[in-house]
Amino acid sequence: EPEVTQTPSHQVTQMGQEVILRCVPISNHLYFYWYRQILGQKVEFLVSFYNNEISEKSEIFDDQFSVERPDGSNFTLKIRSTKLEDSAMYFCASSGEDRVVYEQFFGPGTRLTVL
Amino acid sequence: AQKITQTQPGMFVQEKEAVTLDCTYDTSDPSYGLFWYKQPSSGEMIFLIYQGSYDQQNATEGRYSLNFQKARKSANLVISASQLGDSAMYFCAMREPYSGNTGKLIFGQGTTLQVKP
Repeated sequence: EPEVTQTPSHQVTQMGQEVILRCVPISNHLYFYWYRQILGQKVEFLVSFYNNEISEKSEIFDDQFSVERPDGSNFTLKIRSTKLEDSAMYFCASSGEDRVVYEQFFGPGTRLTVL
Repeated sequence: AQKITQTQPGMFVQEKEAVTLDCTYDTSDPSYGLFWYKQPSSGEMIFLIYQGSYDQQNATEGRYSLNFQKARKSANLVISASQLGDSAMYFCAMREPYSGNTGKLIFGQGTTLQVKP
């Protein structure tokens, strides 16, 4: 069964460093998302991506964040200068052509720890 | 603005019994989708069940069923014959209406379910 994959599973970084979180969505999906979950809290939407551009972003997704789909298979989230409050689980998700019906498939997440 | 509310931070259920996890939502659009996800302690998000706002029947997936009461704007998850492996956090989520949207999910705060042997 196709699945969304994410690497790394856990990333530890120093405050102020840049991190890139990688995702490989399901191959025939068209819509891609990043969510984050601070420990013990709910899952929050960060950004959605369609047709090689951002379709929506939340207020969390400020200038420190960027997304790319560099090669038609990978989908990356970059945080330019990490802050302590960026520590969270980051989930990538993708969905198929019929957004009305199809669920979003989530990857296993990347746990980001900023020291 | 759309909102999802899960009022039960924690629930206990005896193994083999049924349990209902509550979810209410708020939206002014007639077209939306409701989801339940399970998050075990390992952290991944597992899709359980989906209900579309125009679906005539309540969704069912194995031991999971969704008690959809549109007029009350509730979408409770019912787990029948609970198993120890059902112990996890459960999130209710709503997808934005179809027209002109990006399909982002809005999540509730979650309910932690513990199944007792």
